[in-house]
Amino acid sequence: SQQGEEDPQALSIQEGENATMNCSYKTSINNLQWYRQNSGRGLVHLILIRSNEREKHSGRLRVTLDTSKKSSSLLITASRAADTASYFCATDAGLGGNKLTFGTGTQLKVEL
Amino acid sequence: KAGVTQTPRYLIKTRGQQVTLSCSPISGHRSVSWYQQTPGQGLQFLFEYFSETQRNKGNFPGRFSGRQFSNSRSEMNVSTLELGDSALYLCASSLGGSPYTQYFGPGTRLTVL
Repeated sequence: SQQGEEDPQALSIQEGENATMNCSYKTSINNLQWYRQNSGRGLVHLILIRSNEREKHSGRLRVTLDTSKKSSSLLITASRAADTASYFCATDAGLGGNKLTFGTGTQLKVEL
Repeated sequence: KAGVTQTPRYLIKTRGQQVTLSCSPISGHRSVSWYQQTPGQGLQFLFEYFSETQRNKGNFPGRFSGRQFSNSRSEMNVSTLELGDSALYLCASSLGGSPYTQYFGPGTRLTVL
């Protein structure tokens, strides 16, 4: 079952604009991660934020986490056509081992 | 380092058959996890193996099984295939500690006719 929802389900922007995706989850977490998937291929890890962190940056990516609202957002600044992909948040409940629960994903299309 | 490899990349089977998928993790990674991705259910966790032991299990029927070998390579088996088993099966490896980054393979696309 899905941990939560991501919105929007789809997002279309122009190159150079910023893209914001939101993720909501249902249970307590140890950390939250964001992954990118290009057209039905494997997932690529983007960033991990721990439950005691509120914000994290990596290059053009900025992730926020609000554990009181059980939500996270991913901001991609100055988007490029190569950013076109599906983006998923994934939560780790910290129950031991590697078990991620993925959100429903946001399909981002960056147009030239 | 070479990435996670999965074989075969594409597979077509008929209902009732069984299938075995293989995953070779990144060298040094001891944890291998399997996920099923379908348009309807999204990405769902199947199971995780660490040092040849199943460490976590998702909510899938017993037709789905797996194992891990001493070199950390893993296989998953699906018996008595159903049409609904058509999916992209993704394998991910990690060092096994926490928190961790999982590195995904390209997936095996299984079609059940």
